[in-house]
Amino acid sequence: DGGITQSPKYLFRKEGQNVTLSCEQNLNHDAMYWYRQDPGQGLRLIYYSQIVNDFQKGDIAEGYSVSREKKESFPLTVTSAQKNPTAFYLCASSLTDYGYTFGSGTRLTVV
Amino acid sequence: KNEVEQSPQNLTAQEGEFITINCSYSVGISALHWLQQHPGGGIVSLFMLSSGKKKHGRLIATINIQEKHSSLHITASHPRDSAVYICAVGLTNDMRFGAGTRLTVKP
Repeated sequence: DGGITQSPKYLFRKEGQNVTLSCEQNLNHDAMYWYRQDPGQGLRLIYYSQIVNDFQKGDIAEGYSVSREKKESFPLTVTSAQKNPTAFYLCASSLTDYGYTFGSGTRLTVV
Repeated sequence: KNEVEQSPQNLTAQEGEFITINCSYSVGISALHWLQQHPGGGIVSLFMLSSGKKKHGRLIATINIQEKHSSLHITASHPRDSAVYICAVGLTNDMRFGAGTRLTVKP
């Protein structure tokens, strides 16, 4: 079955460390997105990519980095520069504006 | 002001009640989505609307493009409907999300 796989589901990181969240899709979708969710707030866009080897900053890109070397994969690195990284991170993909599919999310906690 | 406003923020209902969740938006959109997020965090797409009304089982979604307003209705609500319901609007390169409505249906 086609879908988006995010891993891991739960992640713990020490302060000052970088950590990479995985997002893989087998839907042949061109566009992929990373969102951050904080309690009581809507999802906010971190980065998005419309095609391979190209990506754009979203509203809250500071402290994050991404790569898009393959169509299927869009990993997100949370760097030590991100001041408040504890959050729920969601990956999504779409073929056009109309069909979005979401992953199951990764909950990152900084300890 | 948020581009997507949902109401209410929290909703508690008794099993069997008719539920309505509202969404208003202030930007031009290509489509509006209703999403369901369960406690584990994963999100499921319920509906995508660009006009009119859609129905799936006990769920009904409507949209009024002129008024920039959409509603999600749940008929004969059940405890398994308890979740966070999120309204999202599709823009050219992005989606904008409401903060969500937390629904609790008590048996």
